[in-house]
Formats: sequence, structure tokens, C-alpha cells
Amino acid sequence: AQSVTQLDSQVPVFEEAPVELRCNYSSSVSVYLFWYVQYPNQGLQLLLKYLSGSTLVESINGFEAEFNKSQTSFHLRKPSVHISDTAEYFCAVSKRRDYKLSFGAGTTVTVRA
Amino acid sequence: NAGVMQNPRHLVRRRGQEARLRCSPMKGHSHVYWYRQLPEEGLKFMVYLQKENIIDESGMPKERFSAEFPKEGPSILRIQQVVRGDSAAYFCASSPSEETQYFGPGTRLLVL
Repeated sequence: AQSVTQLDSQVPVFEEAPVELRCNYSSSVSVYLFWYVQYPNQGLQLLLKYLSGSTLVESINGFEAEFNKSQTSFHLRKPSVHISDTAEYFCAVSKRRDYKLSFGAGTTVTVRA
Repeated sequence: NAGVMQNPRHLVRRRGQEARLRCSPMKGHSHVYWYRQLPEEGLKFMVYLQKENIIDESGMPKERFSAEFPKEGPSILRIQQVVRGDSAAYFCASSPSEETQYFGPGTRLLVL
């Protein structure tokens, strides 16, 4: 079975500063990787995903994540955050062509002015 | 194109009552998944259904919990004789295939 570790539970950051959210996974087989964002009292929204191909994936709102197979990581980055990026971020993994997502415990990002 | 819809958004039940949570998948999606999010934890897989079939219920508690996805209508997650430990957010997701899942807004269940 896969497992996901999000190394930081809380990340406070100032507006316009960069942020990195770390995600490591363990799996004996090839995987798909996802980042979801959950705004307060809302559901999860897909932020970006890695299925195959280029190891660097980007979202439409400036986030990017890089799949590193040797380090079994899928860290999420944004070079300059906004107040509106305040949310909880979940890293998730599934085996290729499997449906069962395994989630990390989440990282709460709080952006301050 | 409406997203995954769940209702109710909030549900309060007393111990021993039944809770029914509904999920309407996105148009064109025939795969439905239920996850539970306990406080301070990530989401945990509960069950995966396709129309009229339970494909995998390995994450469902053995007793009191059941799920269905009938030919017509929404998917239902049913919890009988609720206990305080059932208080959580229950999320439904849907997908057109076994690849990318799209989540609904969740139902927050509070058991008094």
C-alpha cells in the first residue's frame, strides 16, 4: 500500500514570499500524484497532477510541483503567494490505474500581509 | 457543467439516529468514491462504486455503514445508529475513469 507524508503541518508565510510544501510518498509500484487544495469550509479542488511525461507540472494559478522518482517526492511550490492562497493543501497518491487515493495529513498555509 | 454535488452540506444527528448522505456525480462520470475526513487528519478512502455495483468497500467500517449507487439517482452513504465517533466530513468524488477524481463540497456530520 502507498503512504504519503507531508512534512509540515503548518506553514505561515508573508504575502508575495515564496512557499514550498513538501510531500514524500512510499510505494513499490509506479504512481500517479496529486495536489488538492481545500479552502475553509469547502471541498477539495484539484490543483495539479502528475500522471506521466514531464516531471514538472503547473497549475493555472502559479503553483508548480516536480515529481522526483529517486527521492519519491512531489513538492509543491509557488514563487509569490497571495492572501487568497490561504488554505489547506493535501498531497495524494494512487497506484497507476488504481482508484484508491491515499492522502497526506495536509499542510495549512496561512498567508499574512 | 456542474461539479460534484453533495447534500446536505451540514447534518446534525443524535446518537442512535440514521444519517443519509447524498452525492450526485459530475455529468458523464460513472465512478463514485466516498472518503471520510476526521478532525486533524487527511482523507481516508471508504468505498468505490459504479452504477449498481460496489467495486471496493475495503475502507468501510464493517457495521452500520452502507453505500449504494442506483441506476437512477444519487449515490447514498448511509450510517445507521450513529455514534459520536462518526462525526466527520464525508466527501464524495467522481471520475470518468479510474484516474483523476473530482471532489464535492462534503457533508459535515455532527453527532450529538
